[in-house]
Amino acid sequence: EAGVAQSPRYKIIEKRQSVAFWCNPISGHATLYWYQQILGQGPKLLIQFQNNGVVDDSQLPKDRFSAERLKGVDSTLKIQPAKLEDSAVYLCASSLKFPDSLSYEQYFGPGTRLTVT
Amino acid sequence: GEDVEQSLFLSVREGDSSVINCTYTDSSSTYLYWYKQEPGAGLQLLTYIFSNMDMKQDQRLTVLLNKKDKHLSLRIADTQTGDSAIYFCAETLYNNNDMRFGAGTRLTVKP
Repeated sequence: EAGVAQSPRYKIIEKRQSVAFWCNPISGHATLYWYQQILGQGPKLLIQFQNNGVVDDSQLPKDRFSAERLKGVDSTLKIQPAKLEDSAVYLCASSLKFPDSLSYEQYFGPGTRLTVT
Repeated sequence: GEDVEQSLFLSVREGDSSVINCTYTDSSSTYLYWYKQEPGAGLQLLTYIFSNMDMKQDQRLTVLLNKKDKHLSLRIADTQTGDSAIYFCAETLYNNNDMRFGAGTRLTVKP
């Protein structure tokens, strides 16, 4: 089966500009996650969708970050305006089962590396 | 600080065993995971263990869980150069959607 797809793979922007990332999860996976991975750190969850509804966005900086999953499949993550500290790899992941099931395996995409100058 | 802690670096010789350690703080963790990340790639799930288990073995990988000490380890037998990567420990909590990651351990395998 095809894996989680993300684009672009790399993006360089200046601070105060806007940027958007796209994610296509594995077919049939109801749950989609966006993570931010700053260099030298582990991934940090930004937002989680179950189908097209938001389950958890408690760590999403909502003054500048937004995300949507309108049809319950693809998702976009937007940053507007970007700051220097937003430089990171943005990882998308998907899982088949909701966390209250017995198994909870997330499949990760290759990520988008964002550099803000 | 991190809820999940790992040492940052580990270097071993090819053919030796590698042991990567992790400590976590939340006793309500349900699943604990080990992910591998190679340069420029996403995270690949290596193995996971349910919190009521003490050990899980999968080919060259052995996971040990000490719930009393909140300590998780990953042993890689016969380590190969292709095992060089960053290894992340992660936990999910009961009734919580959040997966918490450690900062990762960079494993370097020398020929």
